[in-house]
Amino acid sequence: DTEVTQTPKHLVMGMTNKKSLKCEQHMGHRAMYWYKQKAKKPPELMFVYSYEKLSINESVPSRFSPECPNSSLLNLHLHALQPEDSALYLCASSQDREGGAYNEQFFGPGTRLTVL
Amino acid sequence: RKEVEQDPGPFNVPEGATVAFNCTYSNSASQSFFWYRQDCRKEPKLLMSVYSSGNEDGRFTAQLNRASQYISLLIRDSKLSDSATYLCVVNIMNTGFQKLVFGTGTRLLVSP
Repeated sequence: DTEVTQTPKHLVMGMTNKKSLKCEQHMGHRAMYWYKQKAKKPPELMFVYSYEKLSINESVPSRFSPECPNSSLLNLHLHALQPEDSALYLCASSQDREGGAYNEQFFGPGTRLTVL
Repeated sequence: RKEVEQDPGPFNVPEGATVAFNCTYSNSASQSFFWYRQDCRKEPKLLMSVYSSGNEDGRFTAQLNRASQYISLLIRDSKLSDSATYLCVVNIMNTGFQKLVFGTGTRLLVSP
């Protein structure tokens, strides 16, 4: 019943692989987010896109490369990852209205990534 | 001091019980507050936004105390299906863009 979709649901990759995670939202939101969540920890913000422009990068290593092709789509390109990068990667979106109102974020189901 | 702090629990309660969670936040400029629910190996789902006047949605009541910088969530008549981790989330404006800061979550276990 989520309006934020993510593919794939699960991904296993080697440290030399290149892969991409995809996210799509159908709510007309203009802000989209990538989070990383390790087991028994809260989600940690990685990147924020607002109106298709990167507005926040929380000092994420360059082996993670975000891309926002349009206001509905968000990708996360992965290259040369480490085993410690294994986690649940969550995409979220929000209206991103001015003034702080209506700032609820809605999450997709996530991609469970395992790096071997 | 952490930006958002919660008691990790777990809170073990019987069905039908009333349970309350508290959360404190450190940034007095925070403007928006939320409770999310997260089931095991699932994504966080918005439970409630928390407004200054407090708000209620069925069995769930959220309160905000700006002076003391804490947020509460009250669950009445607990159901087995309420078992989950409840995340307190505070919105911080970061150089003109919003950023959500999550607490570590409070785990609730409702037993028959």
